[in-house]
Amino acid sequence: GAVVSQHPSRVICKSGTSVKIECRSLDFQATTMFWYRQFPKQSLMLMATSNEGSKATYEQGVEKDKFLINHASLTLSTLTVTSAHPEDSSFYICSVKDSSTQETQYFGPGTRLLVL
Amino acid sequence: SQKIEQNSEALNIQEGKTATLTCNYTNYSPAYLQWYRQDPGRGPVFLLLIRENEKEKRKERLKVTFDTTLKQSLFHITASQPADSATYLCAPSGGSYIPTFGRGTSLIVHP
Repeated sequence: GAVVSQHPSRVICKSGTSVKIECRSLDFQATTMFWYRQFPKQSLMLMATSNEGSKATYEQGVEKDKFLINHASLTLSTLTVTSAHPEDSSFYICSVKDSSTQETQYFGPGTRLLVL
Repeated sequence: SQKIEQNSEALNIQEGKTATLTCNYTNYSPAYLQWYRQDPGRGPVFLLLIRENEKEKRKERLKVTFDTTLKQSLFHITASQPADSATYLCAPSGGSYIPTFGRGTSLIVHP
């Protein structure tokens, strides 16, 4: 399977600050990446689809001005949580789709965000 | 709206037994269905993909079935081991459907 990395693996920040999370596709170029959020004992919730060279597509209820996504290259997508609040504390995971079949998703290891 | 149901309660089994996990979905017809394993604090790891025209698929100790009439997939782990303890997620997918995951079923294999 494909290797996807995320950085940082965990971050603690103060309320009101911004946090940037990086997602890298190490095995192949990904024109599309996905960003998920997962609260404890809940399912992965798709936040947005990141498209290389164009604007991200956000799911209903996800504030695009709060969760800024930049997909500047075929191997890197970033998610910036702006003006973070304690309720943004969660597990953020990115994924890429198999470039040949466009079926299987390969996930990064996730980033644990804690906003104090 | 699309809905995915997996057993919310943890499945406890004894080592060596076969674990069977259920995934039911409603209000859509996925072209394929995927199963993932997720360990605490980690991202999901892909296990198996089964297509709508396949009844069954196997990989080592894993077996997945897909019944498009019942809108159900069963995930079996034979000769289970404590190392199989994890949360297992199903994801009916394909076509225009956005990637959507069930809440997952926690499997606990006791030695």
